[in-house]
Amino acid sequence: AQSVTQPDIHITVSEGASLELRCNYSYGATPYLFWYVQSPGQGLQLLLKYFSGDTLVQGIKGFEAEFKRSQSSFNLRKPSVHWSDAAEYFCAATPSGSARQLTFGSGTQLTVLP
Amino acid sequence: DAGVTQSPTHLIKTRGQQVTLRCSPKSGHDTVSWYQQALGQGPQFIFQYYEEEERQRGNFPDRFSGHQFPNYSSELNVNALLLGDSALYLCASSLAPGGYSSYEQYFGPGTRLTVT
Repeated sequence: AQSVTQPDIHITVSEGASLELRCNYSYGATPYLFWYVQSPGQGLQLLLKYFSGDTLVQGIKGFEAEFKRSQSSFNLRKPSVHWSDAAEYFCAATPSGSARQLTFGSGTQLTVLP
Repeated sequence: DAGVTQSPTHLIKTRGQQVTLRCSPKSGHDTVSWYQQALGQGPQFIFQYYEEEERQRGNFPDRFSGHQFPNYSSELNVNALLLGDSALYLCASSLAPGGYSSYEQYFGPGTRLTVT
């Protein structure tokens, strides 16, 4: 079955520290991959996406993600975290060629310490 | 540029009742998808509408139905509500099939449904 796994339920970092959120996928073929962020009481905002090509993709708010086919991973990174980055982050995937049904991971809650 | 809008924001219903949630897609988008997000979980795909037809459906019972109107807006209907239907219901819009950009889904703020 197709699935997306986010191994870390909750991560705490200090403001200014670097951040890496993990995401692994299980699909027969490489899917299209996405990271979304959700602030309390709000919908999901698209941070970045990967379709093909360059394995390091840049997104909004200073985030980037690296696709590693050998590890079936698509980890999200940020060099220096700001207090406003505290939120829940979701990794999502959809098979290429499909009708664009997203499968989400269970999310990682990010807490930022002052 | 108007984003995805949903109404109402919050809703409280009693078990056995029926509910209708509404969504207007982002300007220029003609495809609407609905997701259910239970507390502490990631969103789960319910179904997707394009050209006023249901194109794909997730693992949800027939109590969940939808509709898309000629102006691309959409409704999600849930009949015979159960306590377990309490969740945040998210609408997402995207472009018509064709090209990578059609895979980018943009979400509304959601409707919080509480079933008592």
